[in-house]
Amino acid sequence: GAGVSQSPSNKVTEKGKDVELRCDPISGHTALYWYRQRLGQGLEFLIYFQGNSAPDKSGLPSDRFSAERTGESVSTLTIQRTQQEDSAVYLCASSTRTRKDTQYFGPGTRLTVL
Amino acid sequence: EDQVTQSPEALRLQEGESSSLNCSYTVSGLRGLFWYRQDPGKGPEFLFTLYSAGEEKEKERLKATLTKKESFLHITAPKPEDSATYLCAVQSGIQGAQKLVFGQGTRLTINP
Repeated sequence: GAGVSQSPSNKVTEKGKDVELRCDPISGHTALYWYRQRLGQGLEFLIYFQGNSAPDKSGLPSDRFSAERTGESVSTLTIQRTQQEDSAVYLCASSTRTRKDTQYFGPGTRLTVL
Repeated sequence: EDQVTQSPEALRLQEGESSSLNCSYTVSGLRGLFWYRQDPGKGPEFLFTLYSAGEEKEKERLKATLTKKESFLHITAPKPEDSATYLCAVQSGIQGAQKLVFGQGTRLTINP
């Protein structure tokens, strides 16, 4: 079946503008994650959604970052008033709810803030 | 705080030259240790999950092993197509802790 999809694949924006990034998880996967990967670095956790439970927002770096998820489907990550340090690849992953829940990643959105 | 350290940062091998990548970790109760492969411009591709010390898993030329403090990814007789960045991550066993904590990766280059 289809994997995790993300859009857009690339986004260039000007400092101070707002951006929205979209993630479509694998069908049937109830858990959804957002990570950030700065150039040459490992992945940093941002936020986790599981069904109707309150999301784990512990990784969001500032109040300019927010995310929403509609039921167990699409999620959007919004960055307000973008800064140059927000430039990175934003990766989305999804998993099932079972104990051995492997996270499968999408291709990412490369965000460049000028 | 959970931490993952991978070494070396970069490794160049000749085709057919076997080697190992290291992943050292500290975690509050290991729920799982994950290996991913990442090609340039793409998202991480899942390779293995290891759950307990002593466990081993194999896939083609790759073999992952796990101890209480570290994991190794052994690459036997590698080919140029094995060139990629290999990422290690841990998941804590703390109730409600679902996130993966990643190392910075090992960039592997296999020369023909």
